[in-house]
Amino acid sequence: GQSLEQPSEVTAVEGAIVQINCTYQTSGFYGLSWYQQHDGGAPTFLSYNALDGLEETGRFSSFLSRSDSYGYLLLQELQMKDSASYFCAVMAGFKTIFGAGTRLFVKA
Amino acid sequence: DAGVIQSPRHEVTEMGQEVTLRCKPISGHDYLFWYRQTMMRGLELLIYFNNNVPIDDSGMPEDRFSAKMPNASFSTLKIQPSEPRDSAVYFCASSSNRDGSYEQYFGPGTRLTVT
Repeated sequence: GQSLEQPSEVTAVEGAIVQINCTYQTSGFYGLSWYQQHDGGAPTFLSYNALDGLEETGRFSSFLSRSDSYGYLLLQELQMKDSASYFCAVMAGFKTIFGAGTRLFVKA
Repeated sequence: DAGVIQSPRHEVTEMGQEVTLRCKPISGHDYLFWYRQTMMRGLELLIYFNNNVPIDDSGMPEDRFSAKMPNASFSTLKIQPSEPRDSAVYFCASSSNRDGSYEQYFGPGTRLTVT
């Protein structure tokens, strides 16, 4: 079967750094994606890791370790607008399995 | 481009009625996806198409659900008959995967309420 685990909630202060972890069990693994979703909105793509290592895009970075079936999303210089839900997703080609999501609360 | 377009944005119907959700993908995208999101089950892939052909419908919950893509610019998800447990937000997404990132662009969703 396929399963993903990520924390349900994380709270951090404005300007801080936060890491959202994701562990997975799956077959036919191509890579790990991350999406952001604000309340009432649609998911928006943040990153995709197919190979081990860190990918950086502005304030957001994503990491993958295929041998450990583990990845994380790193958000730096947190802003209030980063308060949202963050989903990791296992990609087997385009077959997409989403985690349950991590709700991030950013406090002033 | 206007992005992925979905209609209606909200739908309220009575149990037993037929519901049809519509989606127009981004022009040039050759993959189209239907998702369902609920608090209990999260975001679930129902079915996806490549070049208008259904590739994987293993997420379609039961025979009451059907999806079609008659051409590259239009897809429908139909529920017949609808039941209260079908209440959810249904998202359509599209992708081209030209850069190998499998990035999917989501529409605004249709919030379905079945009473």
